[in-house]
Order: sequence, then structure tokens, then C-alpha cells
Amino acid sequence: SQTIHQWPATLVQPVGSPLSLECTVEGTSNPNLYWYRQAAGRGLQLLFYSVGIGQISSEVPQNLSASRPQDRQFILSSKKLLLSDSGFYLCAWSVNREQYFGPGTRLTVT
Amino acid sequence: AQSVTQPDIHITVSEGASLELRCNYSYGATPYLFWYVQSPGQGLQLLLKYFSGDTLVQGIKGFEAEFKRSQSSFNLRKPSVHWSDAAEYFCAVGTQGGSEKLVFGKGTKLTVNP
Repeated sequence: SQTIHQWPATLVQPVGSPLSLECTVEGTSNPNLYWYRQAAGRGLQLLFYSVGIGQISSEVPQNLSASRPQDRQFILSSKKLLLSDSGFYLCAWSVNREQYFGPGTRLTVT
Repeated sequence: AQSVTQPDIHITVSEGASLELRCNYSYGATPYLFWYVQSPGQGLQLLLKYFSGDTLVQGIKGFEAEFKRSQSSFNLRKPSVHWSDAAEYFCAVGTQGGSEKLVFGKGTKLTVNP
């Protein structure tokens, strides 16, 4: 069966520091992959999606970037974090239009 | 552009009572519709989906939803709520095309009183 992993589970980082969040999927090939951010009371905001290795689409202009170096690996990065980057980050993969979510990473920027 | 509205930010029901969570969508073509549930600090779990066919769909945990094209709605229902159903519920509409992107509503938080 398919499994999606995210790490770390929680992260506290100072303003201006770099960021790297990793997401990996097991048990499937060539999935679509997604990064979402969830802020309190604001639902889920799609940040990036990828339909294949090296193919990244950005949904909103921001301080973040994404990469897909391998078929089942999706990385969310920042060179310098802002306070507004705090939130709950969720990775997801899709098959037949159904999206399945990872456990999430709680990021606090101090 | 697609959009989803969940009019109720917070709903409180008693255990054993029936539940209906509202969802309205805006989409020009035949929509792909989903309901997800999220427990605090967790990822989202797919409850059910509608792609085509029978407008009443059954999901996990005893939930069902009804697609009404005339009202652009996809309301989630459960006949008898259990305390473990307390969570946040998200409605989503899927887009056409290979990206399979979803547009989510802002969610409805469900509190269950004993």
C-alpha cells in the first residue's frame, strides 16, 4: 500500500534561517505531488505542485521554493524564513484525482 | 475560477444527534467533489468523493454526502454522531486537467457534546 512520510514533524526556526522540509511517497510511481500550507482559520493554501521529476508549478508568489529531485521525493525550501512562514505544512500525492495527505510539519518561525 | 464555501465555521452537536455540514461550490464543468476530515495536529483523511453517477455517495465512518447540481451543493451528513467525530471537516472541488489540483473550503470545526 502507499505511504507518505514528512519530516520533521515539528520545527522551530529563527527569522532569516534556511528551511528544508522533505516529503517522500512509497508504493506508487510517478505521482502528482503537492505542498500546502495551513494557517489557523484559513483552510489549506496550495503552494506548489509537481506532475513529474523537475517539474514544479508555483501557485502563489512567496518566500518559498520547491524541488522534486526524484520521482517520489518533494522538498520545500526557503533561503531566509519570515515570521509569516509559520504554519502547518502538508504534503500530498494524488492518484485518479484523489489526494492523500502526509502527517504534516508544524513550523514556528521566531 | 473554482471556489468552495463552507458557511459554518463551527458547529456543535450532541452525541447521538444527526449532523449536516454544508458545502457550496463554484465550478463551470462537472465537478469532482471531496470531503476530508482532520483531527488536531494531523493530516487530512479522505472521507468520500463524488465523480459521477449516483448523487448520494457513501464514505467511511458512516458518513454520506449528496450532490445537488441545481444548488451547487455537496453536503455531508451522518445520522448519529459519535464523540470521536469531533474534528475539522473540509470540502474540496477538483479541477480538470492533469494537475489534479484541489480547491478547499475554509473548513467547519465540529464539537461533539456528551
